[in-house]
Amino acid sequence: RKEVEQDPGPFNVPEGATVAFNCTYSNSASQSFFWYRQDCRKEPKLLMSVYSSGNEDGRFTAQLNRASQYISLLIRDSKLSDSATYLCVVNPADRGSTLGRLYFGRGTQLTVWP
Amino acid sequence: ETGVTQTPRHLVMGMTNKKSLKCEQHLGHNAMYWYKQSAKKPLELMFVYSLEERVENNSVPSRFSPECPNSSHLFLHLHTLQPEDSALYLCASSQAEGTEAFFGQGTRLTVV
Repeated sequence: RKEVEQDPGPFNVPEGATVAFNCTYSNSASQSFFWYRQDCRKEPKLLMSVYSSGNEDGRFTAQLNRASQYISLLIRDSKLSDSATYLCVVNPADRGSTLGRLYFGRGTQLTVWP
Repeated sequence: ETGVTQTPRHLVMGMTNKKSLKCEQHLGHNAMYWYKQSAKKPLELMFVYSLEERVENNSVPSRFSPECPNSSHLFLHLHTLQPEDSALYLCASSQAEGTEAFFGQGTRLTVV
């Protein structure tokens, strides 16, 4: 089983729509979680960290469900500029040490149309 | 953004060439990474350096050779590559291993 699984999409939504992405992770001891955004032919950029209590940044809301081992990203009032690939990233507890590493999902492609 | 810079941005090399990719971070981070991103695949971690010590070599072929002379610089030396090595090579840094990583713009490598 892969460490991080994402629905690759694509998701095609009109401007103003609300869209949600989910991501599941396999290691129940995982410690930290992130959403990255990657534009076409560009590097991934940190969108937001995901905290246990859930967190919101403007139109973006991230939630963590430890019991079900999934992370979600909700985008409200979609803009054309939100079109990108969204990467789910998990730091599982390193099995051999206290240090971690980042596992990236395959990414979910979003296209927002006018 | 100048947090993590990579050079060159684009590279075309023959299978018998030797070239090096360079990465520099200005964020005061302690960990640096090389990732490979091929079309339609998730990012693949290649190497991890923490405080200039290589802590992970993710079963990468020996034709890729990393070097970390100090905590701000990371190199990836390439020799006798194969066409299937063509990909986007991304450098990243983080304050510590496993914390949020910041990426350079990448080197788009084409092996001919």
